[in-house]
Amino acid sequence: QSALTQPRSVSGSPGQSVTISCTGTSSDVGGYNYVSWYQQHPGKAPKLMIYDVSKRPSGVPYRFSGSKSGNTASLTISGLQAEDEADYYCCSYAGRYTFVVFGGGTKLTVL
Amino acid sequence: EVQLVESGGGWVQPGGSLRLSCAASGFTFRSYSMNWVRQAPGKGLEWVSYISSGDSTTYYADSVKGRFTISRDNAKNSLYLQMNSLRAEDTAVYYCARDDENPGIDFDYWGQGTLVTVSS
Repeated sequence: QSALTQPRSVSGSPGQSVTISCTGTSSDVGGYNYVSWYQQHPGKAPKLMIYDVSKRPSGVPYRFSGSKSGNTASLTISGLQAEDEADYYCCSYAGRYTFVVFGGGTKLTVL
Repeated sequence: EVQLVESGGGWVQPGGSLRLSCAASGFTFRSYSMNWVRQAPGKGLEWVSYISSGDSTTYYADSVKGRFTISRDNAKNSLYLQMNSLRAEDTAVYYCARDDENPGIDFDYWGQGTLVTVSS
């Protein structure tokens, strides 16, 4: 059982928007503005898509955005494209004792 | 170009040991904190361990505490993970990942991973 809770799967049609939630506690997601999101295609290493809740690394399309409310963070992908089909993982800093926790991952299917 | 290349994975019997290495290039290795993250077959990501850039402060996931040791050699631009008392549940692809320079823990570059299989 992962520390952060994500839906196992989401889907959307090309051009649509989808949102993936990531629910933690006040000890991780709710306690720090240090949530990141990773995209992983089959057989590949993860790729950083969002950091510090809502910041995009250079090269990540504007279609990807992040937000947080209380103990729940969200990743929104607008204008879905076929290449967005992948697994997505949220991650949060969780203090000096637990340090880092990941979500269980969400499989995004582009219909 | 930032590159992280893991090596040292393979098959080991339960109770055995293995040492993973990660060769870094394309950036000033000594200036960055580093991590190991693993992924069991068909499962999600699990953070394993962290080592800071300055004083080499270390942190471990509870699942590996007391069995795994992270270390670094800045002169060789290398990160290591010594894994002892291995268990079947340690079977996974192990990635080394760089922590970016921002506050918080964000893995901005990843290696391609090395597979560790623990089985009798």
